[in-house]
Amino acid sequence: KQEVTQIPAALSVPEGENLVLNCSFTDSAIYNLQWFRQDPGKGLTSLLLIQSSQREQTSGRLNASLDKSSGRSTLYIAASQPGDSATYLCAVTKAAGNKLTFGGGTRVLVKP
Amino acid sequence: DTGVSQDPRHKITKRGQNVTFRCDPISEHNRLYWYRQTLGQGPEFLTYFQNEAQLEKSRLLSDRFSAERPKGSFSTLEIQRTEQGDSAMYLCASSKGAVLAFFGQGTRLTVV
Repeated sequence: KQEVTQIPAALSVPEGENLVLNCSFTDSAIYNLQWFRQDPGKGLTSLLLIQSSQREQTSGRLNASLDKSSGRSTLYIAASQPGDSATYLCAVTKAAGNKLTFGGGTRVLVKP
Repeated sequence: DTGVSQDPRHKITKRGQNVTFRCDPISEHNRLYWYRQTLGQGPEFLTYFQNEAQLEKSRLLSDRFSAERPKGSFSTLEIQRTEQGDSAMYLCASSKGAVLAFFGQGTRLTVV
């Protein structure tokens, strides 16, 4: 059974500092990995999707890496802003269009 | 196209009552997913449909839970004889084939 873990569960940084969020998964046979953002009481917004054959994806200040063999992904957010405060979730899927298995999330607070 | 829509956004019910939630997917999305998220945790998969066929159900979906997707359009999730442990955010997502899933804003259920 696939298990996804995110450490730390919470993170507080001053504005301008770079954020590093970690995600690990136990079964390396994944189809893709996604990073989501969730604001309090809201749904999920997809940030980045990495196919299993890829090593990284970038979008603006966000960069996500994937090391499938070691079961790890890292989300980097450069020059953090207070608006980046949210919970960040990673999720993996075993096959195309299949269900997502989520980690518990990392709650991020960026202090002005 | 206004995205995935869920109704109601919030529901407070007494223990033992039945509740029904509705999800309207993005038009022409043939896959529809239900997830449940408790406070401080990542979403957990409940069930998913491809068109009107329910293809997979999690063991989390007890006999008190039933989901339907008549005519492959909107979907309903019903919980019978609600229990306090059913209090959670219920999230719906839809996708077109194997492409990225889009999430709704969720329905927050509180059982008192």
